[in-house]
Amino acid sequence: EDQVTQSPEALRLQEGESSSLNCSYTVSGLRGLFWYRQDPGKGPEFLFTLYSAGEEKEKERLKATLTKKESFLHITAPKPEDSATYLCAVQDYGGSQGNLIFGKGTKLSVKP
Amino acid sequence: NAGVTQTPKFQVLKTGQSMTLQCAQDMNHEYMSWYRQDPGMGLRLIHYSVGAGITDQGEVPNGYNVSRSTTEDFPLRLLSAAPSQTSVYFCASTSTRGDGYTFGSGTRLTVV
Repeated sequence: EDQVTQSPEALRLQEGESSSLNCSYTVSGLRGLFWYRQDPGKGPEFLFTLYSAGEEKEKERLKATLTKKESFLHITAPKPEDSATYLCAVQDYGGSQGNLIFGKGTKLSVKP
Repeated sequence: NAGVTQTPKFQVLKTGQSMTLQCAQDMNHEYMSWYRQDPGMGLRLIHYSVGAGITDQGEVPNGYNVSRSTTEDFPLRLLSAAPSQTSVYFCASTSTRGDGYTFGSGTRLTVV
């Protein structure tokens, strides 16, 4: 059974304090791993897609990496506006492209 | 370019009532999905469609019905609302390439 586990559940950082969020996954065949950002009362906003181990993608202060068992979302020198819930999802080759399996998310708070 | 549009944004139903949550996208995406988001549960797939006239069940389909008569629209029908269906519902779409699902802003449904 496909599973996605995100840790920690919540993370509090001071502005400028870099850290990483973890997403560990179990799938029979990984088609893609997705990172989303979700602000309160809004829909998830797409950040990155990673397809194969060793792949990395960056966007502003965020960098996503992928291994065969987990993905990390590194946040460098975060700002208060980075506060949000970050969601990880995987897509299995065995499922339709509609089948994203989501983790429960990491709620990030960045204090000034 | 509106992306994915969901209506209504908020709805209160009485147990046993039926209603339709609307979802429309203007990006000519083939793939559309419905998710529900509950506290502590993450996003769970209800139904999905890989094209007009084609739909399939996701992880939690009971009590919901869908149809896809056009590429643009993918309505979700609650047949007989129950308090367990109180949730936030998100519609999402993607192109056949499967890069970066686009989510709507959600419908917050309360069943009393």
